Amino acid sequence: NAGVTQTPKFQVLKTGQSMTLQCAQDMNHEYMSWYRQDPGMGLRLIHYSVGAGITDQGEVPNGYNVSRSTTEDFPLRLLSAAPSQTSVYFCASSAGQVRTDTQYFGPGTRLTVL
Amino acid sequence: GDSVTQMEGPVTLSEEAFLTINCTYTATGYPSLFWYVQYPGEGLQLLLKATKADDKGSNKGFEATYRKETTSFHLEKGSVQVSDSAVYFCALSDRSSASKIIFGSGTRLSIRP
Repeated sequence: NAGVTQTPKFQVLKTGQSMTLQCAQDMNHEYMSWYRQDPGMGLRLIHYSVGAGITDQGEVPNGYNVSRSTTEDFPLRLLSAAPSQTSVYFCASSAGQVRTDTQYFGPGTRLTVL
Repeated sequence: GDSVTQMEGPVTLSEEAFLTINCTYTATGYPSLFWYVQYPGEGLQLLLKATKADDKGSNKGFEATYRKETTSFHLEKGSVQVSDSAVYFCALSDRSSASKIIFGSGTRLSIRP
């Protein structure tokens, strides 16, 4: 059971480049989300999905797109990278209601935008 | 809006010392409260949780009690070990934001042998 997997682990981009951060889970979880972690700011929610075909914005959605075509996958796209998007990105999933259910986090992707 | 405030770190203790990491929250309604832990180079893991007032969450020797009257959820451990060195995040999820968790800024804990 792999849990939540993320690729790549590290990435360096130039300003204006695009890329997709991959996230997959094998626990058949309905709820998935993306967070960014910045020093002194904890984790901030970027986008989330409550099931295949359904996505919504979190606290800091600007500059990021998501889609959820399958239960397993929830990719995060940066269309035109900016230095302000330098951060560590975490994907998470849970079986049901976030209010009561444990969230399972992936190992993270460290992104640097030059 | 909802928010979580944690004591600032870093916190450095000697092995076997008593640990308290303070956490207070602001929320509408009756949130669920969580402590997550992040070991070096890893993602976050749930440490413990409490879903209603006066509940006590516990795991791996850590405890936290949901205190509605003081809007607090302080993390405690009676005797810390070097392996407890990590970053600890307090978090909440409210009925009004059923799909979202709000995290505190994290407290880095270092334990000296």
